[in-house]
Amino acid sequence: EADIYQTPRYLVIGTGKKITLECSQTMGHDKMYWYQQDPGMELHLIHYSYGVNSTEKGDLSSESTVSRIRTEHFPLTLESARPSHTSQYLCASSDPGLPNEQFFGPGTRLTVL
Amino acid sequence: AQSVTQLDSHVSVSEGTPVLLRCNYSSSYSPSLFWYVQHPNKGLQLLLKYTSAATLVKGINGFEAEFKKSETSFHLTKPSAHMSDAAEYFCVVTPAAGNKLTFGGGTRVLVKP
Repeated sequence: EADIYQTPRYLVIGTGKKITLECSQTMGHDKMYWYQQDPGMELHLIHYSYGVNSTEKGDLSSESTVSRIRTEHFPLTLESARPSHTSQYLCASSDPGLPNEQFFGPGTRLTVL
Repeated sequence: AQSVTQLDSHVSVSEGTPVLLRCNYSSSYSPSLFWYVQHPNKGLQLLLKYTSAATLVKGINGFEAEFKKSETSFHLTKPSAHMSDAAEYFCVVTPAAGNKLTFGGGTRVLVKP
């Protein structure tokens, strides 16, 4: 079944740890996105990719980095997590033929102690 | 530039009564407009979208929205609320030919028995 997956769903870690949030989609979409959503707030775009080897920064500045080595995979990495990184991270993808319609994963809720 | 304002941060309705979620937008371009729903601990699900076709758009779960260019509005309605409609709803705008989504602040819907 075509879908978009995120792991882990929940993560609680200590300050200074390196973490990678995984995002994979089986829809064959070229474009993928990462959003950050603080509790009760709107989503803000932090990274996006047009395809393999393409990564761009979004509207909201983020200390995270991303990579796009395979079409279906778009991981997000924090080299040294801090409490200010505590948030929900949502991954999305879109079909080039329907660029405005984005499909979202279930999200990763990150808590940094 | 584009922006979205959801006029109510919280809406409380009784089961079986109508639901109205208000959204106003501004956009330098002909916009595409969306409503997404986010249930607790779930990803965002597309409810409906307007992409310059019919101004009255019908979505899933009995929701519909009307695009009113003169009022720069895209309000979401449902004739009869169900308990399962309790969730957070986001109004989203994007340029018709673009793929950067701008989210409103969200409206949390509470449905009382």
